[in-house]
Amino acid sequence: DADVTQTPRNRITKTGKRIMLECSQTKGHDRMYWYRQDPGLGLRLIYYSFDVKDINKGEISDGYSVSRQAQAKFSLSLESAIPNQTALYFCATSDSTGTEAFFGQGTRLTVV
Amino acid sequence: GQNIDQPTEMTATEGAIVQINCTYQTSGFNGLFWYQQHAGEAPTFLSYNVLDGLEEKGRFSSFLSRSKGYSYLLLKELQMKDSASYLCAFPSGGYNKLIFGAGTRLAVHP
Repeated sequence: DADVTQTPRNRITKTGKRIMLECSQTKGHDRMYWYRQDPGLGLRLIYYSFDVKDINKGEISDGYSVSRQAQAKFSLSLESAIPNQTALYFCATSDSTGTEAFFGQGTRLTVV
Repeated sequence: GQNIDQPTEMTATEGAIVQINCTYQTSGFNGLFWYQQHAGEAPTFLSYNVLDGLEEKGRFSSFLSRSKGYSYLLLKELQMKDSASYLCAFPSGGYNKLIFGAGTRLAVHP
């Protein structure tokens, strides 16, 4: 089993719909992250969390929200999806040293 | 500010050696990472340099010069499976989060 699991792996949704991407980890890490990847732009940080009570905005948080339900679970929501949110989304975890990030397999989201 | 620059694309021949460069700007340097990412897959950790110099790990080596804000990833004895994107990254804000470059897409051909 993967250490960092994302669901769904692929999703097509319509403009204006609410959608949630889920991430769970078995590494016991406190830190969790959501990144988005677009061609030619690399990975950009959306939100990150250091523990259940700590949520921080990344560089591109507009249009997104997150929930840290437990140490092992960190979900990303798009309240009203728009086409330019079509991208590959990655969840990642790291321990308190932050010296290595472990990534989930990604969720390919298409907003039509 | 914080910035990472890498070449967008590179090509190389199977069995050859390729060097992928990365220049960066950041305050409070806390090390530099290299990740490999095959198309549509998750990035996987390759190396982490904190001190100046070359660190070798099998066919892959990573070099860092903190004074020059420069790093490179050296891949030897290239194989077709090395065709991937290579991402340079550094931790920002006291290890709060990783900032990634746009990545270098390497194509290895026979």
